[in-house]
Amino acid sequence: GAVVSQHPSRVICKSGTSVKIECRSLDFQATTMFWYRQFPKQSLMLMATSNEGSKATYEQGVEKDKFLINHASLTLSTLTVTSAHPEDSSFYICSATGTASGNTIYFGEGSWLTVV
Amino acid sequence: AQSVTQPDIHITVSEGASLELRCNYSYGATPYLFWYVQSPGQGLQLLLKYFSGDTLVQGIKGFEAEFKRSQSSFNLRKPSVHWSDAAEYFCAVGLNRDDKIIFGKGTRLHILP
Repeated sequence: GAVVSQHPSRVICKSGTSVKIECRSLDFQATTMFWYRQFPKQSLMLMATSNEGSKATYEQGVEKDKFLINHASLTLSTLTVTSAHPEDSSFYICSATGTASGNTIYFGEGSWLTVV
Repeated sequence: AQSVTQPDIHITVSEGASLELRCNYSYGATPYLFWYVQSPGQGLQLLLKYFSGDTLVQGIKGFEAEFKRSQSSFNLRKPSVHWSDAAEYFCAVGLNRDDKIIFGKGTRLHILP
């Protein structure tokens, strides 16, 4: 089946720095990608929806200037956490869909972010 | 707006026993429903999904789920659980098959030996 890959799987960064997480669709063109955040022992919360070549649509309560999402190509979306703080430490998961995936949503493996 | 309720935060069953995890959704139109499983520290694995047609859906690992429109439910079942089934289970609903998915809070399944 289709594969969505995230990189890095784990990252530690210092408070105040920025960190970028990549989400790639490996064998299909992802016209739409979604970014979720999951705090320990909690559910997945949708952060934003990104369509290739256009600005991301953020969910209510998500700071778009802090969580920068770029979907510049049909196989890559990036989430940049700017000026990271310890409370941003979380598990970030992306998902992707496109015509070639049969309009099925595929999830990446997730990325653990720890801000120290 | 659509929403998903999983009323049980934790469920404990003995290995070999049957399992039912509850899920209720709120959505005005015909929903697209999913069940995912997540092992600790891991990503999500799709167990099954319902888009239309037969209301009893078969999934992987011996799981099945039944869509009941009258009860707004999509409960997950397995006739005999294995120790490896211990994980977090998420029910989810989508507007369309390729639109954003909203997740329930999850049910943690514990298996007794």
